[in-house]
Amino acid sequence: RKEVEQDPGPFNVPEGATVAFNCTYSNSASQSFFWYRQDCRKEPKLLMSVYSSGNEDGRFTAQLNRASQYISLLIRDSKLSDSATYLCVVEGGNTGFQKLVFGTGTRLLVSP
Amino acid sequence: DTGVSQDPRHKITKRGQNVTFRCDPISEHNRLYWYRQTLGQGPEFLTYFQNEAQLEKSRLLSDRFSAERPKGSFSTLEIQRTEQGDSAMYLCASSALARNTGELFFGEGSRLTVL
Repeated sequence: RKEVEQDPGPFNVPEGATVAFNCTYSNSASQSFFWYRQDCRKEPKLLMSVYSSGNEDGRFTAQLNRASQYISLLIRDSKLSDSATYLCVVEGGNTGFQKLVFGTGTRLLVSP
Repeated sequence: DTGVSQDPRHKITKRGQNVTFRCDPISEHNRLYWYRQTLGQGPEFLTYFQNEAQLEKSRLLSDRFSAERPKGSFSTLEIQRTEQGDSAMYLCASSALARNTGELFFGEGSRLTVL
């Protein structure tokens, strides 16, 4: 089983739509969780951290369910510029070492 | 601050040749990571340095791979006797130990093609 699993998509949505991505992780000792964004042929960049209480950044909302080892990302009012691959990232869980484990990514295509 | 820089950006080599990639992290970042990414996959962890010490190395990394960070600043990743399966984007990232925010700053990568 992969440490971090995501639906690779692609998700094709029209502008203005709401879209949700899900991710599961296998290491129950993991303490930190993130979503990164990767544009085509570019490097990954941090989109947002994910907290147990859930957190929101503008049109983006991230949720964490530790009991189910499940992370989600909700994008409201999709823009063309949201088209990218969204990577679910989990801290490796080894004490004293922050190894980030990336999922395969979910590709989002927002069309006019 | 010029960000993380990697060199070369592209490398085409024949099977069996050795290649070396260089990474210059953001100055004052004491953590440095190497990842590998292939098409349709997320970045896979290869190795990690804190200052000059290599603290972890993935089981994915065969004996043909070696990484160094001699003075705790730039790093090199060498692949000996390259194989076609080594073709990938090699990504370097850095972060600051003091700010444990989970934010890795990636370079634009070094794309390796092994013929």
